[in-house]
Amino acid sequence: DAGITQSPRHKVTETGTPVTLRCHQTENHRYMYWYRQDPGHGLRLIHYSYGVKDTDKGEVSDGYSVSRSKTEDFLLTLESATSSQTSVYFCAISGDKKNIQYFGAGTRLSVL
Amino acid sequence: QQQVKQSPQSLIVQKGGISIINCAYENTAFDYFPWYQQFPGKGPALLIAIRPDVSEKKEGRFTISFNKSAKQFSLHIMDSQPGDSATYFCAPYSGGYQKVTFGTGTKLQVIP
Repeated sequence: DAGITQSPRHKVTETGTPVTLRCHQTENHRYMYWYRQDPGHGLRLIHYSYGVKDTDKGEVSDGYSVSRSKTEDFLLTLESATSSQTSVYFCAISGDKKNIQYFGAGTRLSVL
Repeated sequence: QQQVKQSPQSLIVQKGGISIINCAYENTAFDYFPWYQQFPGKGPALLIAIRPDVSEKKEGRFTISFNKSAKQFSLHIMDSQPGDSATYFCAPYSGGYQKVTFGTGTKLQVIP
């Protein structure tokens, strides 16, 4: 998976608890992305980063925050998880040619 | 606003048959047209891509056909095999907006 590690791979949590997902890359790529994948919706962009401490919102950013303190790490935080955030979350990276994205293996999150 | 429409949602093809997946778009700013392949439990990965200056690109059993005037492009899988069973996403890219837009995905099942 192109030098991208997502952790944890699976997580079950309860409504109202905070959750942090981690994406770690070894490719030194500038751009990093968080997507969620749900049946019938494909891949929807949550947040993305274009450099250390430089982030911006995607199309479904409500309820999520991100941080990037190092080039290699991009964190996605659900401040207070809700059942609607049950999904599979993918991290992706791209270099200067942003037309191609490389994806991690995903994190399956269940919010009960 | 749905800029990319992918069809069909699901597809069942017999081994040896031809699988065809279509992607229609509205944004004329798209200038790179890839298809991603995703196996269960994995992240999507680039399969094949085409630029708008050609009408067709073939890589092994996979072919992209591009129709600029109709604003659509298709993925053809010749001699489909059970190992091709996966979800396929079109993901046109706009260099001007530096943005990828994913289709909703097509789940392909190739039966023996």
